[in-house]
Amino acid sequence: DAGVIQSPRHEVTEMGQEVTLRCKPISGHNSLFWYRQTMMRGLELLIYFNNNVPIDDSGMPEDRFSAKMPNASFSTLKIQPSEPRDSAVYFCASSLLVPGSILTGELFFGEGSRLTVL
Amino acid sequence: RKEVEQDPGPFNVPEGATVAFNCTYSNSASQSFFWYRQDCRKEPKLLMSVYSSGNEDGRFTAQLNRASQYISLLIRDSKLSDSATYLCVVKNSGGYQKVTFGTGTKLQVIP
Repeated sequence: DAGVIQSPRHEVTEMGQEVTLRCKPISGHNSLFWYRQTMMRGLELLIYFNNNVPIDDSGMPEDRFSAKMPNASFSTLKIQPSEPRDSAVYFCASSLLVPGSILTGELFFGEGSRLTVL
Repeated sequence: RKEVEQDPGPFNVPEGATVAFNCTYSNSASQSFFWYRQDCRKEPKLLMSVYSSGNEDGRFTAQLNRASQYISLLIRDSKLSDSATYLCVVKNSGGYQKVTFGTGTKLQVIP
């Protein structure tokens, strides 16, 4: 299995530009997470999808951020317009969660997309 | 108060030493607990789950204290390759069983 695949690995852009980050989860996994990691705040959950449906987007900073999961094998996180404070590493993770089970499946992370907004 | 709190460190220890990290969580209804490891500029990876009775995996021992709401990770006979950031992870009960990461504790094992 190729694992969780994210692209791009690095993105440098100017303030005001649109940024689109992409994620392909592990085949067969039913849950997808977008996290943002900074030195100051660590790993923050932005949004969580289960069976392609957004379940919790309370971590999305503001309206400039949006995420979609049109099918089980693809998700995007979009920032428009981008700002310097959005600079961070954005991780996508997938998992197989069993309904009714108290044991969360292991989260498998992609290698991350390092975003720098100038 | 943060949902999951960890001492950021860094913990600088000599090779062969024993080192322990603690992590506290605020939600008493939390159900599942884990330790993840993150190497510098890499993604987090599962190190071990934490069970109520405590569990061991080689040189690593994890403990859970529900009464005091903390979990711990003990590393014996530290190796240089143990240098990393260790993330405490808590899964809460409720609607969709939210997974929350601590900010991590950095460990540096020194030759």
